[in-house]
Amino acid sequence: AQSVTQPDIHITVSEGASLELRCNYSYGATPYLFWYVQSPGQGLQLLLKYFSGDTLVQGIKGFEAEFKRSQSSFNLRKPSVHWSDAAEYFCAVGARTGNQFYFGTGTSLTVIP
Amino acid sequence: KAGVTQTPRYLIKTRGQQVTLSCSPISGHRSVSWYQQTPGQGLQFLFEYFSETQRNKGNFPGRFSGRQFSNSRSEMNVSTLELGDSALYLCASSSAGTSGTETQYFGPGTRLLVL
Repeated sequence: AQSVTQPDIHITVSEGASLELRCNYSYGATPYLFWYVQSPGQGLQLLLKYFSGDTLVQGIKGFEAEFKRSQSSFNLRKPSVHWSDAAEYFCAVGARTGNQFYFGTGTSLTVIP
Repeated sequence: KAGVTQTPRYLIKTRGQQVTLSCSPISGHRSVSWYQQTPGQGLQFLFEYFSETQRNKGNFPGRFSGRQFSNSRSEMNVSTLELGDSALYLCASSSAGTSGTETQYFGPGTRLLVL
């Protein structure tokens, strides 16, 4: 069965520090992978996605993620966090058959000035 | 282009009532998906509609239903509300797609509180 695990429920980092949010997936084939961000009171916004090819993908707002098949992971990174990055982050897998997506439970990011 | 809109933004209902939520997708998008978001369960897929037909369905009881109109607008209905139905209901639209590659664009959600 498809599933997505985000092991960190909450992360606190200082502004300017680097960030890595973890995501592990379970899927029978090569997955389509996504990272979304949700600010309070807002819907989800796509940060980046991976379908195939280069395993390091660049997204918006300075985020990047690396697909590691051997570890079934798709971790999100940012070299220097800004206070405006405080939000909830969701990793998702898209099924290859049908327009259906499976989301992790999210990681809440707090940024300390 | 206008984004995905959802109405109403907030709802308070009591147990046993029913509720209808509405979603207008981005112009030209034909696929509409619904998700339930709760603190404990995260985002859970309810169903997806494409060209007025339910194309995918998640693991929710039959009290949760939906439909899509010819203009791609979608409604979801929850009958016989239970306390556990309190959640943020998110709608997402995408252009078409039959695989999981389509980018989904999310609305701001409808927050439902069941008392």
